[in-house]
Amino acid sequence: DAKTTQPPSMDCAEGRAANLPCNHSTISGNEYVYWYRQIHSQGPQYIIHGLKNNETNEMASLIITEDRKSSTLILPHATLRDTAVYYCIVTLEGTGGFKTIFGAGTRLFVKA
Amino acid sequence: NAGVTQTPKFRILKIGQSMTLQCAQDMNHNYMYWYRQDPGMGLKLIYYSVGAGITDKGEVPNGYNVSRSTTEDFPLRLELAAPSQTSVYFCASRVWGLNEQFFGPGTRLTVL
Repeated sequence: DAKTTQPPSMDCAEGRAANLPCNHSTISGNEYVYWYRQIHSQGPQYIIHGLKNNETNEMASLIITEDRKSSTLILPHATLRDTAVYYCIVTLEGTGGFKTIFGAGTRLFVKA
Repeated sequence: NAGVTQTPKFRILKIGQSMTLQCAQDMNHNYMYWYRQDPGMGLKLIYYSVGAGITDKGEVPNGYNVSRSTTEDFPLRLELAAPSQTSVYFCASRVWGLNEQFFGPGTRLTVL
């Protein structure tokens, strides 16, 4: 699985968009980008994933660059409850000896 | 559905003691995982299983054992507890073909 690089921490004002970057320059053509978040000491929670196209769901949007070497998770209107550690993961989809590697992630602080 | 359940929530062990962390899921997921998370760090994969009777090592398997006799259960065994195994342990599962993992609430283990 490709390695990812994320900033260790970011701040965001409540109500504003939070843009969390992730670099994955060694990503291969069939690897997906996944985002999870971990609020306080809870188990991580899936947010969104994508391969090439931008994706949007009720929680967030995922923007993947054309060369797929980086991506951005966007929380359109951040709330205090979005304060969490956000993990960007690049991995193969489907069968096989699949392993997910979680790095240190980005700690997002949403401030009132 | 209860999702992924873990027991116990908390446990204190003495050095050299053994214990089994229980994990169960009721979603008929093929894949199950055990992670540990040390304070301020990301998750590290201990063991994983792609189905009943099949297990494999992750990044940090030393000092742990697993078994998968049924689809639902994936217990993690610590044989000789050491202070270095003080951590929060998360179990997760996913269905074949998708990489969205569902996490349990975690077990906080302290070895003194």
